[in-house]
Amino acid sequence: EIVLTQSPGTLSLSPGERATLSCRASQSVSYNYLAWYQQKPGHTPRLFIYDASSRATGIPDRFSGSGSGADFTLTISRLEPEDSAVYYCQQYNTSPWTFGQGTKVEIK
Amino acid sequence: EVQLVESGGGLVQPGGSLRLSCAASGFTVSNYYMSWVRQAPGKGLEWVSMFYSTTSTYYADSVRGRFTISRDNSINTLYLQMNSLRADDTAVYYCARGRFGFDFWGPGTLVTVSS
Repeated sequence: EIVLTQSPGTLSLSPGERATLSCRASQSVSYNYLAWYQQKPGHTPRLFIYDASSRATGIPDRFSGSGSGADFTLTISRLEPEDSAVYYCQQYNTSPWTFGQGTKVEIK
Repeated sequence: EVQLVESGGGLVQPGGSLRLSCAASGFTVSNYYMSWVRQAPGKGLEWVSMFYSTTSTYYADSVRGRFTISRDNSINTLYLQMNSLRADDTAVYYCARGRFGFDFWGPGTLVTVSS
């Protein structure tokens, strides 16, 4: 099983700042089969990034994904108040499909 | 418009059974990989099971042998039969579409396992 470890646990930043979220895998994720989801309290998760760097439909370009192998990053270039949420990474290279434990982004 | 709507959740005693349904509209489930993902109260996301065909099903170790995923193409619906339920199965269960990232999710149905 591929274990995904996300850091930091919580990120507290001001509007307009840059947020960098990390997702590290216990082994290489082939084909960059990694996704990022946003989940707001009481809401369903929403796909933001797939294949490590491709934005899903309707996702603003201030969100970008990067990385390969076992190290991946989600960057929010200029935080907006509505970006407050928990962000999860997920690998879909190997069963069982696994999620990271999440990073909570708080807007000051 | 793509929609997924789960049903069948509720309160069940430990050792009991439930069958969850996920009714899909706006697309044909037989053309897609479909999964169940759960989220325990206040916790993160946990993938549970995936179905593509009767010979292509996958399960998390935590549910293998207790849960069975299936699909009825005639009514465009995904199912999750859950047996031998335990307290740690308590969660909101979501159905989700896709193999390379889950691009559509239902609103979820709550399963509570308690005596």
